[in-house]
Amino acid sequence: GAVVSQHPSRVICKSGTSVKIECRSLDFQATTMFWYRQFPKQSLMLMATSNEGSKATYEQGVEKDKFLINHASLTLSTLTVTSAHPEDSSFYICSAPDGGANVLTFGAGSRLTVL
Amino acid sequence: EDQVTQSPEALRLQEGESSSLNCSYTVSGLRGLFWYRQDPGKGPEFLFTLYSAGEEKEKERLKATLTKKESFLHITAPKPEDSATYLCAVPRVSGSSASKIIFGSGTRLSIRP
Repeated sequence: GAVVSQHPSRVICKSGTSVKIECRSLDFQATTMFWYRQFPKQSLMLMATSNEGSKATYEQGVEKDKFLINHASLTLSTLTVTSAHPEDSSFYICSAPDGGANVLTFGAGSRLTVL
Repeated sequence: EDQVTQSPEALRLQEGESSSLNCSYTVSGLRGLFWYRQDPGKGPEFLFTLYSAGEEKEKERLKATLTKKESFLHITAPKPEDSATYLCAVPRVSGSSASKIIFGSGTRLSIRP
């Protein structure tokens, strides 16, 4: 089946630094990928839609200058958390639709801790 | 506004004790309802897609059903390894070719041996 690889799985950084998270579709092409954020014991909140060859679209309330998304190819999307602060600490998960059924395949997630 | 509401928030069962999880939805034109399983610290794992009222799907001890207003995830004779958070989700129409998937808050299921 479809596999989405996400890296790194865990990252700890100092406040004010930037962190990049990669999301790759391993055995299929993804013109669209979705980035979610999840706080402890809460559900997934859609942050943005990453579109290959065009700008990402952000959900209401998500700062596009804070969370930079680049969809460099049909198999790679990156999320960069710029000037990270402790409140940005969270579990970030990417996903891509597998085929035409709108079924999302998720990466394993990236746990960001900002000190 | 499209909404997905899951209940209960948490459910603790004894091994072998069957039960059901509920997902209520309000969307303009349902284009599928998804169930996912999420283990702690991991991404969600796809379980089922249901498209029309009356549809049922099964996988091992799990069975998902759909009505016009809600979906149920029935778990029969659960085992401790069924402990996880179960998420319900629906597509929301967007401007892109791929629909945005909106998730409910999930039900944390815990099965005691």
